[in-house]
Amino acid sequence: DAKTTQPPSMDCAEGRAANLPCNHSTISGNEYVYWYRQIHSQGPQYIIHGLKNNETNEMASLIITEDRKSSTLILPHATLRDTAVYYCIVRVAGGVDTGTASKLTFGTGTRLQVTL
Amino acid sequence: NAGVTQTPKFQVLKTGQSMTLQCAQDMNHNSMYWYRQDPGMGLRLIYYSASEGTTDKGEVPNGYNVSRLNKREFSLRLESAAPSQTSVYFCASSTRTGYNEQFFGPGTRLTVL
Repeated sequence: DAKTTQPPSMDCAEGRAANLPCNHSTISGNEYVYWYRQIHSQGPQYIIHGLKNNETNEMASLIITEDRKSSTLILPHATLRDTAVYYCIVRVAGGVDTGTASKLTFGTGTRLQVTL
Repeated sequence: NAGVTQTPKFQVLKTGQSMTLQCAQDMNHNSMYWYRQDPGMGLRLIYYSASEGTTDKGEVPNGYNVSRLNKREFSLRLESAAPSQTSVYFCASSTRTGYNEQFFGPGTRLTVL
């Protein structure tokens, strides 16, 4: 699995967009970029994933550079409840073809603090 | 639909005692996982079960055993607890066809004295 690099912490004002970067310069062609977050003391929560196209869902947008060596998770209007540790994970898709479970490797992530 | 449930929520053990952490999911997922998270650290995979009847070691399996009791349940056992096993334990599940979208339980906080 490709290694990822994230800043240890970031601040964002409530109502503003939070842009969380992730570097994955050794990503392979069949590896996806996944984002999870962990709100204090809770289990991690899946946010979004993508291969090479930009993706958007009700929680966030994921922008992947054309060379796929980096990506940015965007929370368009951050609220206090978005304060959490955000994990960027790069992984091949598990499941049908390989018959294997999806073993995720969590690093230390980015601690996002949203303030008033 | 409760998702992933874990019991107990909190536990204090003395060194050498044994215990089993229980995990159950009601989403009909094939794959289940056990992670541990030490203070200030990311999650580390202990064991996983790709499907009912199979289990495999993860990154930090020493000192633990697991049982995939049926499709719904995946338990983690500490045979002889050590202070180094003080941690928060998370169980997760995913579909076999899922693109690494794992659903996590609320965690069990374990302290070994």
